[in-house]
Amino acid sequence: EPEVTQTPSHQVTQMGQEVILRCVPISNHLYFYWYRQILGQKVEFLVSFYNNEISEKSEIFDDQFSVERPDGSNFTLKIRSTKLEDSAMYFCASRDSGTGNLSPQHFGDGTRLSIL
Amino acid sequence: AQSVAQPEDQVNVAEGNPLTVKCTYSVSGNPYLFWYVQYPNRGLQFLLKYITGDNLVKGSYGFEAEFNKSQTSFHLKKPSALVSDSALYFCAARRGNNRLAFGKGNQVVVIP
Repeated sequence: EPEVTQTPSHQVTQMGQEVILRCVPISNHLYFYWYRQILGQKVEFLVSFYNNEISEKSEIFDDQFSVERPDGSNFTLKIRSTKLEDSAMYFCASRDSGTGNLSPQHFGDGTRLSIL
Repeated sequence: AQSVAQPEDQVNVAEGNPLTVKCTYSVSGNPYLFWYVQYPNRGLQFLLKYITGDNLVKGSYGFEAEFNKSQTSFHLKKPSALVSDSALYFCAARRGNNRLAFGKGNQVVVIP
């Protein structure tokens, strides 16, 4: 069964540094998402992306964050100047366009980001 | 605004016994509800969804969920729990056109 893949599985970065998290969504999917899960807390929505542009973003997704689909397969999340509170598990998800907006999102295994 | 509540922190159940994981929701308009499971060091795995139609929804691995509009609930159930069902379970509601709003999750422990 096709999967969403994320790399790296664990990223350790110094505070203030830029970090790029990478995702390869399922190949025929058109909608892409990033979520994060701070240890012991809820999974929180960050951003959704469709047709090469952001379709929705949360209040968490401030100017330090950006997303990009640089080619036909990758979907990246960049954090420009990381803060300690950015430490979390980051999940990428994708879904196809079947049944309108009702197809489920499929998640990758996540990247654990640790800011030192 | 859509929100989801999972009132319990941990659910302990003996292997072979019925498993129920509770979820209540608060959504405007028609609710679109989902259950996901997370095994250690893995991502969220889709189990089932309710969009419309029958209130009893069947999903993967023998799980089902019952949509109850009057009680605004969407409890996850399995008639006979397995040790391998031990995991973190998340209820979610669709917000807006895209985003999922998740509950805090429930740790399920199935005792052999």
